[in-house]
Amino acid sequence: AQRVTQPEKLLSVFKGAPVELKCNYSYSGSPELFWYVQYSRQRLQLLLRHISRESIKGFTADLNKGETSFHLKKPFAQEEDSAMYYCALRFSGGYNKLIFGAGTRLAVHP
Amino acid sequence: GAGVSQSPSNKVTEKGKDVELRCDPISGHTALYWYRQSLGQGLEFLIYFQGNSAPDKSGLPSDRFSAERTGGSVSTLTIQRTQQEDSAVYLCASSINGASGGYEQYFGPGTRLTVT
Repeated sequence: AQRVTQPEKLLSVFKGAPVELKCNYSYSGSPELFWYVQYSRQRLQLLLRHISRESIKGFTADLNKGETSFHLKKPFAQEEDSAMYYCALRFSGGYNKLIFGAGTRLAVHP
Repeated sequence: GAGVSQSPSNKVTEKGKDVELRCDPISGHTALYWYRQSLGQGLEFLIYFQGNSAPDKSGLPSDRFSAERTGGSVSTLTIQRTQQEDSAVYLCASSINGASGGYEQYFGPGTRLTVT
């Protein structure tokens, strides 16, 4: 079955520390992975997608098919990065349905 | 232009009552999605509309849940005989074209449903 696992409910770090939010997926097809973010009192929004291989707000994520992972990383966390982060898997085959993980709350302390 | 809008923003209802939640997608977006966001549960897919195709209802948790999309635009999610476990934030999202690209889903602010 298709599944996205985010093992950490809460990740608490100090400003300037490296951050890694873990995401593992289970899918037999060719996956497309995304990270969505929800800042306090704001809407859920796309942060980045693996096919773009881009860095957004200093965050990067690499799809590792061998480990079935798509961890989100940032070398130096900022207080404004504090938010809820969701990893999502899109089915291949022309469907745009997303399966989301349970989310990880990132708290960056001064 | 305007983003996805949802109404009401908050709804408190008594157990056993029916509720209707509304979603207005971004103009021109052919794909529309409903999700449920429960504390500690992440986002749970409910239903997906793509153009004039039959909707993907595979995520609806029970037959008390139904959704319609009229005229390819506005959608209404209906929950009949509400139960306390239906309490959650219901999110709507839309995207340009779900079948052939335009994958980014734009989310509305959500409707917080509380069943007492």
